[in-house]
Amino acid sequence: AQSVTQPDIHITVSEGASLELRCNYSYGATPYLFWYVQSPGQGLQLLLKYFSGDTLVQGIKGFEAEFKRSQSSFNLRKPSVHWSDAAEYFCAVGYSGNTGKLIFGQGTTLQVKP
Amino acid sequence: DTGVSQDPRHKITKRGQNVTFRCDPISEHNRLYWYRQTLGQGPEFLTYFQNEAQLEKSRLLSDRFSAERPKGSFSTLEIQRTEQGDSAMYLCASRKTGIRHRGTEAFFGQGTRLTVV
Repeated sequence: AQSVTQPDIHITVSEGASLELRCNYSYGATPYLFWYVQSPGQGLQLLLKYFSGDTLVQGIKGFEAEFKRSQSSFNLRKPSVHWSDAAEYFCAVGYSGNTGKLIFGQGTTLQVKP
Repeated sequence: DTGVSQDPRHKITKRGQNVTFRCDPISEHNRLYWYRQTLGQGPEFLTYFQNEAQLEKSRLLSDRFSAERPKGSFSTLEIQRTEQGDSAMYLCASRKTGIRHRGTEAFFGQGTRLTVV
């Protein structure tokens, strides 16, 4: 069965430090991969997506992610975290059958220390 | 493009009551999805529509839940005889489909927070 695992439930980093959020997926075909961010009480905003091509994708707010097929991973990175990045981050895999429905990970809550 | 709109943003209801939520997708988005998100979890797929046709329903969608998209535009999600376990955030998302839009992302609304007391 398809699944997404985000191993880190909660991460705390200092402002200005680098960030990496882990995501592993289980999927039989080439996946569509997404990272969304959610602020408290709000909906989901897309940070970036991967469909094909270059395995390093750039997103909004200075985020990037790298697709590694051999590791079934799609980790999210940012070189320097800002206090406004504190939020919950969700990795998701989309069905390639074009239903477009998404399977989400459990989420990682990011706390930023001043 | 005003984004996906959901109404109400918050709903508190007594156990056993019926509730209905509305979602207005981005215009010209033919695909509409409903997800449920409980505290500390990622969203879980409930159902989706292609225009007015409901094409898939998750096992999470019990008989007490019904969703409609009567004219292929807005959608409603109704929960009958609410239970405390129905307390969650209900998220709506929409996207365009077609050859030119393959793999395009879904845009999410801000959700409706349901609390059953």
